Amino acid sequence: DAGVIQSPRHEVTEMGQEVTLRCKPISGHNSLFWYRQTMMRGLELLIYFNNNVPIDDSGMPEDRFSAKMPNASFSTLKIQPSEPRDSAVYFCASSFYGARDQPQHFGDGTRLSIL
Amino acid sequence: AQTVTQSQPEMSVQEAETVTLSCTYDTSESDYYLFWYKQPPSRQMILVIRQEAYKQQNATENRFSVNFQKAAKSFSLKISDSQLGDAAMYFCAYRSGTGTASKLTFGTGTRLQVTL
Repeated sequence: DAGVIQSPRHEVTEMGQEVTLRCKPISGHNSLFWYRQTMMRGLELLIYFNNNVPIDDSGMPEDRFSAKMPNASFSTLKIQPSEPRDSAVYFCASSFYGARDQPQHFGDGTRLSIL
Repeated sequence: AQTVTQSQPEMSVQEAETVTLSCTYDTSESDYYLFWYKQPPSRQMILVIRQEAYKQQNATENRFSVNFQKAAKSFSLKISDSQLGDAAMYFCAYRSGTGTASKLTFGTGTRLQVTL
């Protein structure tokens, strides 16, 4: 079975550019999470969706960050304009909301470097 | 808000030996889940083991087991017969069992080295 698929795996771009990270959750999962991992702050939740609806976006650092989930099989995290401090590994995870003990399954992450 | 604390930034164990990684958490909820995730250098986040708060029996997955002390809010991970492939960052995580708050709150991680 295919796991959570993220693209690109690596992204290097110059500050000021728009960055779009993509995620395809596991088929049948109805919760999707975006996390960011940095040395300074560890793993932190940015936003999550249940049934394509954003539930909690309190972790989104600034208005430069936005996330969408237009359908059950696709989500994007966009940064515009990007800044060097946005450099991090961004993880997408999915799970089945409604089943009590379903864990979150993570994608391989996107390593983002803003020059 | 829930918090998860891993007080050991780094641990080392010899191959074939046993090591225990510590995790404590703070919550006012009675219904929740706890997880250990492993992150090897490849940076994948791999679920190692999970524990439901209302189950008193400690979870076990092959060489991995937990010591869940609900009253003490402690959730340690024991790795038996350590192998070189166990070398990784290990993250403890908390998830509420109620409402729509299904997000994970992570600790800061423990880096485990496995030596020959």
